[in-house]
Amino acid sequence: AQKITQTQPGMFVQEKEAVTLDCTYDTSDQSYGLFWYKQPSSGEMIFLIYQGSYDEQNATEGRYSLNFQKARKSANLVISASQLGDSAMYFCAMRDPTYNQGGKLIFGQGTELSVKP
Amino acid sequence: DTEVTQTPKHLVMGMTNKKSLKCEQHMGHRAMYWYKQKAKKPPELMFVYSYEKLSINESVPSRFSPECPNSSLLNLHLHALQPEDSALYLCASSQDSQTGTNQPQHFGDGTRLSIL
Repeated sequence: AQKITQTQPGMFVQEKEAVTLDCTYDTSDQSYGLFWYKQPSSGEMIFLIYQGSYDEQNATEGRYSLNFQKARKSANLVISASQLGDSAMYFCAMRDPTYNQGGKLIFGQGTELSVKP
Repeated sequence: DTEVTQTPKHLVMGMTNKKSLKCEQHMGHRAMYWYKQKAKKPPELMFVYSYEKLSINESVPSRFSPECPNSSLLNLHLHALQPEDSALYLCASSQDSQTGTNQPQHFGDGTRLSIL
């Protein structure tokens, strides 16, 4: 069964510094995708970045990048030049391929990031 | 602004009330989802609609009743809820639920539900 593990319940980072949020996953499938979502205290879940298992390059979207290490089954999110607005809960997720009629997302427990001025 | 719109943003209801949560998307997505989320926890899947048909019910109590009137709309009808049902209810949509691992689910802002 697929599983996502985020081992950092909470993290602090100084404004303008970079921060890495850890995510490890467990799957026996060869083809899979990993997603990162941001959830501010207001509640909306914002899709940030996607990494496919066959992608040769690490995904990047603006200040967000994914440090994808397939052999280690890790997909860490790197946020460069942190801003106060980055303070939020961050979830790593993957689609459950056994739900072939549902596309269910399997989420990690999340990491709460606080950016200090 | 999110492309998935949920109304209302906040809802307070008594245990005997009947209310509905609404979700709308205009991205042409054919899969829509309801999630329940408790504070500081990940979302938990409740229902999935694929091409307007209910494809997954995660053993949700019958006091929650989903409805998909058309490909753009998703409702969640609530009746006789319990205090433990107080949570953030998130709607999401994706292009297609059946194929591909790289389709993100796009979420709405959620409805914060409080049961008195």
